[in-house]
Amino acid sequence: DTAVSQTPKYLVTQMGNDKSIKCEQNLGHDTMYWYKQDSKKFLKIMFSYNNKELIINETVPNRFSPKSPDKAHLNLHINSLELGDSAVYFCASSQFRGTSTDTQYFGPGTRLTVL
Amino acid sequence: DAKTTQPNSMESNEEEPVHLPCNHSTISGTDYIHWYRQLPSQGPEYVIHGLTSNVNNRMASLAIAEDRKSSTLILHRATLRDAAVYYCILRGYNTDKLIFGTGTRLQVFP
Repeated sequence: DTAVSQTPKYLVTQMGNDKSIKCEQNLGHDTMYWYKQDSKKFLKIMFSYNNKELIINETVPNRFSPKSPDKAHLNLHINSLELGDSAVYFCASSQFRGTSTDTQYFGPGTRLTVL
Repeated sequence: DAKTTQPNSMESNEEEPVHLPCNHSTISGTDYIHWYRQLPSQGPEYVIHGLTSNVNNRMASLAIAEDRKSSTLILHRATLRDAAVYYCILRGYNTDKLIFGTGTRLQVFP
């Protein structure tokens, strides 16, 4: 019973294409996140959603558009892929928003390679 | 956001205790100290967190200096499975996001 799952695990695509990464959590959490880990292993938050509402948008290019059809899902759509988008993308969830103590649960990651 | 400083890497032998240090001299009074770790090819996972007092859980212990400018994550008996990058993160009051630094890569030898 995977708590936070992502599909696909690997994604290889050409520059200029549009792709989506899906994330689902079965923990009943209200808040979901997307993080990006670049080639130097630096992890940085991109977005967070609470009950389908965008809470955090960390100056991510407009080509990235998160979509939350319901509070258990947060998908990431990327338009016009660029070489620099190659990274591992992690989805995460937490029970509440706006707390300093809540634990975030991470998915296994999606490795995106743009050729 | 307050910054943390950790050694780039540390080594340990299996079944020995490991003390992973973290400096956070600019910590504010409402910042919680969180530790996450990332095993190879996996997403980060929560280890422990604390505010002022030392904390214990089944994974580790967290020792927090009296002035809160540093803390130490203690793994009481390292196993090969504990080889990971350990991140010390300060989480501000009512803050959702985790700000990851470069972390400490822990190697555990049999």
